[in-house]
Amino acid sequence: AQSVAQPEDQVNVAEGNPLTVKCTYSVSGNPYLFWYVQYPNRGLQFLLKYITGDNLVKGSYGFEAEFNKSQTSFHLKKPSALVSDSALYFCAVSPTGGYQKVTFGTGTKLQVIP
Amino acid sequence: GAVVSQHPSRVICKSGTSVKIECRSLDFQATTMFWYRQFPKKSLMLMATSNEGSKATYEQGVEKDKFLINHASLTLSTLTVTSAHPEDSSFYICSASEGGAGQPQHFGDGTRLSIL
Repeated sequence: AQSVAQPEDQVNVAEGNPLTVKCTYSVSGNPYLFWYVQYPNRGLQFLLKYITGDNLVKGSYGFEAEFNKSQTSFHLKKPSALVSDSALYFCAVSPTGGYQKVTFGTGTKLQVIP
Repeated sequence: GAVVSQHPSRVICKSGTSVKIECRSLDFQATTMFWYRQFPKKSLMLMATSNEGSKATYEQGVEKDKFLINHASLTLSTLTVTSAHPEDSSFYICSASEGGAGQPQHFGDGTRLSIL
């Protein structure tokens, strides 16, 4: 069975500092990997995805994520955090090869401190 | 592009009432739609997957007679919570996919359901 782990319940970072939100996954075969962001009382917004190709994926709002197959990780990063980045972030995985169910992590709350 | 509209955004009603939530894909055809329930500690629980024109596939532990899902067209899916009780109070979110492996899901803004 596939799974996603987001080991940090909350990440605090000062405005202007780089941020990292961690994600590791377990799946049979090659993965499709996704990051979503959720603002209070809203649905999730798609940020970026890894399908194949370059391990470094760039997405919306200056976010990027690096796929590391050997470590089965897909950490979300941003060089300089903004207060407006404060939100809940979800990592998700599905196996490749036809349509497969997506599994979401439990979410990490990012707090950017002014 | 890829906008999903979910209505209503908030419902407050008495116990025993049935509540219908609509999920529409506004600018794309959604071959597959998903219904989630989000609990206070953040985690998303997939309730069911629906494909246009066929019966929904419910996750284990989700009562299909309690949570009726209809996916009548490629742009509309509905979730009806029948005879709602206070324990059904939650944040319900729908999402839609254009289909095909590796496609991201596009989410509605959720419905806050409060049963008194």
